[in-house]
Amino acid sequence: NAGVMQNPRHLVRRRGQEARLRCSPMKGHSHVYWYRQLPEEGLKFMVYLQKENIIDESGMPKERFSAEFPKEGPSILRIQQVVRGDSAAYFCASSSAGGIEEQYFGPGTRLTVT
Amino acid sequence: SQQGEEDPQALSIQEGENATMNCSYKTSINNLQWYRQNSGRGLVHLILIRSNEREKHSGRLRVTLDTSKKSSSLLITASRAADTASYFCATDPSGTYKYIFGTGTRLKVLA
Repeated sequence: NAGVMQNPRHLVRRRGQEARLRCSPMKGHSHVYWYRQLPEEGLKFMVYLQKENIIDESGMPKERFSAEFPKEGPSILRIQQVVRGDSAAYFCASSSAGGIEEQYFGPGTRLTVT
Repeated sequence: SQQGEEDPQALSIQEGENATMNCSYKTSINNLQWYRQNSGRGLVHLILIRSNEREKHSGRLRVTLDTSKKSSSLLITASRAADTASYFCATDPSGTYKYIFGTGTRLKVLA
């Protein structure tokens, strides 16, 4: 049973470009969460999605960031017009149910904005 | 202190010794989870303990939860060099899915 998959593992973008991060949850999981980790810090919640629905995006910046979890395919975290401050590790987690279940994390995507 | 704050921030021990890390939080929770993160890698789920549980074991790991003190501890017994990593606790305030992570305890086990 494959775990949470994220790609790419490393992504380098120039300022102003777009970054697309992908996450495939564990088999049987329909709840996806995105977190961001800045260097030397803990993870910060960004957004919670179920298939075709954004349940909570309160942790996501209002501008330039968007997320989706289509009926088919992986969840996508999209960052438009990246700035240096977006450089971080972005982790996706999935669970079989919301709230009370363990969240299993992917290996993360390390975004570097030059 | 922040929700889900670990203590100490860093810990160095010799192989074979026990390592204890603590986590304090502010609001009531349903669950508390411990994760391990090796340098530059993803998070590995270690243990989930629910608010009605006081202690859980998994191999060399022992987690306790004291809801009256709003604190949890992670004990790693007979530590190994491979246990070198950062350890995070994550809490779900009011039973939401928004797990809040602390800044972690960086454990170094010396061979």
